[in-house]
Parts: sequence; structure tokens; C-alpha cells
Amino acid sequence: AQSVSQHNHHVILSEAASLELGCNYSYGGTVNLFWYVQYPGQHLQLLLKYFSGDPLVKGIKGFEAEFIKSKFSFNLRKPSVQWSDTAEYFCAVISAPGNTGKLIFGQGTTLQVKP
Amino acid sequence: DAMVIQNPRYQVTQFGKPVTLSCSQTLNHNVMYWYQQKSSQAPKLLFHYYDKDFNNEADTPDNFQSRRPNTSFCFLDIRSPGLGDTAMYLCATSGDRGSAETQYFGPGTRLLVL
Repeated sequence: AQSVSQHNHHVILSEAASLELGCNYSYGGTVNLFWYVQYPGQHLQLLLKYFSGDPLVKGIKGFEAEFIKSKFSFNLRKPSVQWSDTAEYFCAVISAPGNTGKLIFGQGTTLQVKP
Repeated sequence: DAMVIQNPRYQVTQFGKPVTLSCSQTLNHNVMYWYQQKSSQAPKLLFHYYDKDFNNEADTPDNFQSRRPNTSFCFLDIRSPGLGDTAMYLCATSGDRGSAETQYFGPGTRLLVL
């Protein structure tokens, strides 16, 4: 069965620090990969996604993620975090191609950025 | 400009008392999903509607039902809630079920079963 593992459950950083959140998935076939973010009091929203092409994908607000197929990883990065990046971050995968719409989520990482 | 709306945002019910959660969307999307997210766990898909076609996940308890009377609305019915059904319930929509589709989430309904 597919599964997604996010290594860090709670990360605390100071503003301007660099961020890397780990995500590994378990699935033998082709997948599409997503990072969703949930800001305090708001709904889950898409940060970025990968489904083909350049394994380094750029998302909103300066975030990027790199798909490393050999490591089954899709780590999220940002060179310099801001206080407004405080949120919960979810990695998710879906088998591809497919038509089930079934996203498999990781448990989430809570990021707290200190001003 | 809310796109996926869930009501109520918070719901308290008693053990065994049926409860209905509502989701509506202004995106005219074909697909509507219901996820359950328990505390400190990943959101887990319960079922989805592709247009009028209902698709249940194999491990979704029979206690959970859904209705989609039209494109805009979808309901989650919990017939006899147990304490273990305390969770956040997330509704999401997408234009299609393809693997590259983005899902758009509502704010969730936090359900507490006492």
C-alpha cells in the first residue's frame, strides 16, 4: 500500500533561516507529488506539485521541492523563511496515471517561525 | 470569494446521535471528496463523488454515508457516531479525477463526539 512519511513533526526556525522538510513515499509505480500548506485558521491549499519534467519544481511564496526518484523523496525547501510561513505542511502522493483522485497524505509538519 | 464552503465549522454531537456535515462549492467541479483527519494524523480519504457516481474507499466504515443532490452540494452523514469519529472532516473538489489535478479544500468541520 502507498504511504507517505514526513520525518519532522515540528520544526522551529528563526526568520531568515533556511528550511528543508523531508518527505518520503512508499510506492512501486509512478506517482505525482504535492505539497499542501495550511496557514493558521485557513484551509489546505496547494503549494506546488510535480508530475513530469524538471524534478526541481517551484511553487508559490519562494518554495521549491526536488523529486529524487531513486530516493523516493520529495523534500520541500525555502532559502529564507519568514514569520508568515508559520503553518502546517503536508506532503501527498497519488498514483499516476490514474483516475481515482486518491491523495495519500503524510502526517504533516508544523513549522513555527520565530520573528 | 470562498470556493469550497463547509458548514458547520464546529459540531458537537452525542454518541449514537446522527449528524450531517455539509459542503458546497462554487467551482462547478465534477469531483467532490470527503477526508477524515484525526488529531496528529494524515487526512484520509473516505469517499468521493465523480459527478453522480459514488466511490467508497474499501476501509470506510458503513457508518459513513454521503449524498450529492446536485453539482454544488455534498453531504457527509454519520449514522451512529462513535467516540472514535471525533475528527476534522475535510471536503475537497477537483475538476476531474486525473492524477495531476489539484484538489481544492474547504476549511473543514471539527466534529466532537461525546
